[in-house]
Amino acid sequence: DTGVSQNPRHKITKRGQNVTFRCDPISEHNRLYWYRQTLGQGPEFLTYFQNEAQLEKSRLLSDRFSAERPKGSFSTLEIQRTEQGDSAMYLCASSPQETLNEQFFGPGTRLTVL
Amino acid sequence: AQKVTQAQTEISVVEKEDVTLDCVYETRDTTYYLFWYKQPPSGELVFLIRRNSFDEQNEISGRYSWNFQKSTSSFNFTITASQVVDSAVYFCALSEAQAGNNRKLIWGLGTSLAVNP
Repeated sequence: DTGVSQNPRHKITKRGQNVTFRCDPISEHNRLYWYRQTLGQGPEFLTYFQNEAQLEKSRLLSDRFSAERPKGSFSTLEIQRTEQGDSAMYLCASSPQETLNEQFFGPGTRLTVL
Repeated sequence: AQKVTQAQTEISVVEKEDVTLDCVYETRDTTYYLFWYKQPPSGELVFLIRRNSFDEQNEISGRYSWNFQKSTSSFNFTITASQVVDSAVYFCALSEAQAGNNRKLIWGLGTSLAVNP
């Protein structure tokens, strides 16, 4: 399967714990996006990578959030000291540079903070 | 500022009915892209269509059709002869071409479509 994959699919954690999610984009895609989606809402942009460079971060992304894409392939999103308000679906998407913005999404990681 | 409005929160139809999902957008750019995505109960967003601001030609793909009206800033989506498998949340999204290399998508709140047998 050559789609975008995300792990884990579900994560339940206690408030104050750190969590890390992984995204593996489609192999030839050099653009990678993280979004967050809460119930009844559309996805909200969090951050964007072009290859290994993180080129934009949303103001939604507090200093407890950090994302990396060390070799321009997979990406990780870490949340430190989780809060109940962090509970959401975290979506990863990738797109190739040469197409007009079409983004392909992974299945998401659903985070529940107790 | 960019904004996408999907005024219909929920729609319920009976199988084989036609249904139109509305999308209205706001942008100051002259070049932009519009999208529709489908999110079935499984949760994964599925790309349906992309349209750029210079192409107002309507498009039909099987039972799906899209009506882009630049004059009213609308990009509506019609499903003809709806089926139960069409039940999902449908999102309209906007991306501005002048945002540099970041083509982040600005999303509407989605329309939840229930097609009943």
